[in-house]
Amino acid sequence: IVLTQSPGTLSLSPGERATLSCRASQSIPNNFLAWYQQKPGQAPRLLFYAESSRAGGVPDRFRGSGSGTDFSLTVSRLEPEDFAVYYCQQYGSSPWTFGQGTKVEIK
Amino acid sequence: QAQLQQWGAGLLKPSETLSLTCGVYRGPFSVYYWTWIRQPPGKGLEWIGEVNPSGTPHYNPSLQGRVTISIDTSNKQFSLKLSSLTAADTAVYFCAGAYCGGDCYPTLKYPMGVWGQGTTVTVSS
Repeated sequence: IVLTQSPGTLSLSPGERATLSCRASQSIPNNFLAWYQQKPGQAPRLLFYAESSRAGGVPDRFRGSGSGTDFSLTVSRLEPEDFAVYYCQQYGSSPWTFGQGTKVEIK
Repeated sequence: QAQLQQWGAGLLKPSETLSLTCGVYRGPFSVYYWTWIRQPPGKGLEWIGEVNPSGTPHYNPSLQGRVTISIDTSNKQFSLKLSSLTAADTAVYFCAGAYCGGDCYPTLKYPMGVWGQGTTVTVSS
């Protein structure tokens, strides 16, 4: 399954809302879609699994949604620590695949 | 939850074999799918493969034939070997774990929630 993330880069200011998209080439079984956040020089951090289940310690300003082939990650009000690269990943159909990433940068 | 620490050689020559190991600390071992992922410089993430709690591996077809992932339950470690290296294998390699608890079969149901720190591997003559 090929995952296409958009936009490639999102330039926003702290306090603004961010909406990231992840589109799959075919329906993801069981909506097994995850979102990760990665900062420079660090390993990815799991944010959401099964499309909308929040991982431990993830602030509630983050929200995952979607089903089938269209998924989104929303950050209601960006904090300085939220500027990073975000990846979606499907683990419903082997081989598990990642999107190419969306960079959220400070405007 | 488990914490991961990985190690292995970082500079290799073409045709050599990459060997990395990941140790699992402060957590149970046999309730995770143990996974390797890589990230070429400036690029996205690629799933290499995984091994389930019973030791059965599952590989990305793009690397099939070159990759071996194994577990050492007694030492709470798992390892990656990637043979016939080329420059295209240059990447940061991450070990990771996907928790499965008591529901580990036939396939994982959760993504990778614990990660190692990453090892930079450069393939160059």
